[in-house]
Amino acid sequence: GAGVSQSPSNKVTEKGKDVELRCDPISGHTALYWYRQSLGQGLEFLIYFQGNSAPDKSGLPSDRFSAERTGGSVSTLTIQRTQQEDSAVYLCASSLVARLWGGGYTFGSGTRLTVV
Amino acid sequence: DAKTTQPPSMDCAEGRAANLPCNHSTISGNEYVYWYRQIHSQGPQYIIHGLKNNETNEMASLIITEDRKSSTLILPHATLRDTAVYYCIVRVATQGGKLIFGQGTELSVKP
Repeated sequence: GAGVSQSPSNKVTEKGKDVELRCDPISGHTALYWYRQSLGQGLEFLIYFQGNSAPDKSGLPSDRFSAERTGGSVSTLTIQRTQQEDSAVYLCASSLVARLWGGGYTFGSGTRLTVV
Repeated sequence: DAKTTQPPSMDCAEGRAANLPCNHSTISGNEYVYWYRQIHSQGPQYIIHGLKNNETNEMASLIITEDRKSSTLILPHATLRDTAVYYCIVRVATQGGKLIFGQGTELSVKP
């Protein structure tokens, strides 16, 4: 597609439920990143995928968070047993390669997750 | 990656130039300066980047000091739509991995 697509755009879930957030990167982009942004806060790195390499999971806040990227394209971020502090906007970005050449990072509009 | 320091907030009158400073005193020779911005409720958007020469594109100009320890992003004629958080990031361009965002500068363009 023309841009990075994320779904759903908004998600309200009850505490303790599992949620899945989806990211469709730009076609052909080999690198994919997940960030989250809590209200009034900066962007917090979660995880990044580059081709067939092992993902960099160093930003995942707990073992309730996991992500996968199937076929080198679509990625799903899963949060198990959601907590209220998980409420945030979850942003996905993709780039042609992991290297930061110019404007190569394109972000989606995010999924706003609210845990009630 | 070198650390950057930006003022937390700035105001600018509509139609005037907005000059956003960034300090990166520990920048190394192979690190570029990148600017992104995030308009409310949207994902970050690339603006411009440079190594040591001043750069200009359709969105902005980037002025990097000769010692490369600081830079200024210039929006020549700010509009209300330029109200956003502006992030200055220093990275080695060929380095893989995540992009680390600081707190940025919240620019408010006022009529």
